[in-house]
Amino acid sequence: EPEVTQTPSHQVTQMGQEVILRCVPISNHLYFYWYRQILGQKVEFLVSFYNNEISEKSEIFDDQFSVERPDGSNFTLKIRSTKLEDSAMYFCASSEGWEGFGTNEKLFFGSGTQLSVL
Amino acid sequence: AQKVTQAQTEISVVEKEDVTLDCVYETRDTTYYLFWYKQPPSGELVFLIRRNSFDEQNEISGRYSWNFQKSTSSFNFTITASQVVDSAVYFCALRRPGGFKTIFGAGTRLFVKA
Repeated sequence: EPEVTQTPSHQVTQMGQEVILRCVPISNHLYFYWYRQILGQKVEFLVSFYNNEISEKSEIFDDQFSVERPDGSNFTLKIRSTKLEDSAMYFCASSEGWEGFGTNEKLFFGSGTQLSVL
Repeated sequence: AQKVTQAQTEISVVEKEDVTLDCVYETRDTTYYLFWYKQPPSGELVFLIRRNSFDEQNEISGRYSWNFQKSTSSFNFTITASQVVDSAVYFCALRRPGGFKTIFGAGTRLFVKA
C-alpha cells in the first residue's frame, strides 16, 4: 500500500532555531495536513492545505509556522524560532478526497517526526 | 464547541477477551463525521473507520465492530477475541462538515496480554 513518508524521524534543535519538517504525501492525493502530538497527549490539528493554499488552520498555527509545497511531491512544515513547547511528534497526512458521500476522505498518516527543542 | 471524550485511559485484557472502547462526543452540528484511528507502538496513525452522523447503522469489519448511538452521542468500538497485535492506542475523532480539522480524543491505550 502507498504510504506517506516523513523525514527526518527525529530532529533535535536548539531553542530559537528554525526547523523544516519534510513530508512526501501519496502521489495522487490532493489534500495535505499537519498534526502534532505532545508526549502522552492528544493529537492536535495544525493546518490543512489544498490547491497550493491553506484551507484551514488552528489557533496553534500562528506566525511561527508556515507550510509549503515547493514542488510536486514534497510538503513541508517550517517552524521559526522554536520554543521548548514545540517539542512534539509531528504527523503529516494526506487524503485523495475530502468529504461528501462516497468521496475517499480516508487520511493516511506518516510515521511522524519527533522534534525535540533543547 | 466540539469535544471528544475517551474516559478510559488504559485497558488491559487477556488475549481472546472481547473489549469495548468508549467514545462520547459533543457537537452542535446536526451533521458530522466520526472516526476511529489506531496508533500501534510504531507510532503511525492508522485509519479504521469513518461514520456519517446520518447513518446510524452499526458496522462490523472482521473482529472490529462499531456501535453508533446518536441519542447518547456515543460511538463505541468493540474488538472481539482480542489479539496481542491489537495492543495500541486507539483514538476516537470528530469532524464537522465543511471543515478540515479533525478533533481527536485523548486516546485509550489497550494492552492485550498473551
